[in-house]
Amino acid sequence: QQPVQSPQAVILREGEDAVINCSSSKALYSVHWYRQKHGEAPVFLMILLKGGEQKGHDKISASFNEKKQQSSLYLTASQLSYSGTYFCGTASYNGGSQGNLIFGKGTKLSVKP
Amino acid sequence: GAGVSQSPRYKVAKRGQDVALRCDPISGHVSLFWYQQALGQGPEFLTYFQNEAQLDKSGLPSDRFFAERPEGSVSTLKIQRTQQEDSAVYLCASSPLSLNTEAFFGQGTRLTVV
Repeated sequence: QQPVQSPQAVILREGEDAVINCSSSKALYSVHWYRQKHGEAPVFLMILLKGGEQKGHDKISASFNEKKQQSSLYLTASQLSYSGTYFCGTASYNGGSQGNLIFGKGTKLSVKP
Repeated sequence: GAGVSQSPRYKVAKRGQDVALRCDPISGHVSLFWYQQALGQGPEFLTYFQNEAQLDKSGLPSDRFFAERPEGSVSTLKIQRTQQEDSAVYLCASSPLSLNTEAFFGQGTRLTVV
């Protein structure tokens, strides 16, 4: 089941904040966040495991609400380099294996000067 | 190599032709994934290997698609009798252990079927 991301697109001025949400109808084991710039490979940002943790990475942080099967990515004081498409990938526990990583459709973030 | 390497970077195939896409994961990485990414869309899961075992192939769109990783390192995605709807970027990713670690993506192979 593909996770749902919102919003689909967002335009920011440099220095503004943004929140990107990712929700799933399945019980999740972990949520992975990636950023992809045009024509490039997705680049890893962070992983959150079930247990409701929160993580930070410079001015980018994320939370995982296990009960709601939701994760949010927070970008504060955005920089031009934050522009790109953000994908969440979700993994559900699947019997004896971790299962596969399913990505959402992405959120396109554009940061303007 | 330093990262995940995919070849060729670009492939143009005539409709009906067979193609083979190669992925060299980071040395020692146990898990390997194939994804299909259409323009403006997220990566769509195709298949997943743990070493040489193909644990999940539920994302392969038809029996024209076949993937293998016979020695647990290099993987090949083969598409038989290509069709126009197969045109996409095919991404390969590898990770060192289970899924709860970072997955490293290759640059992808852009397949265009004409």
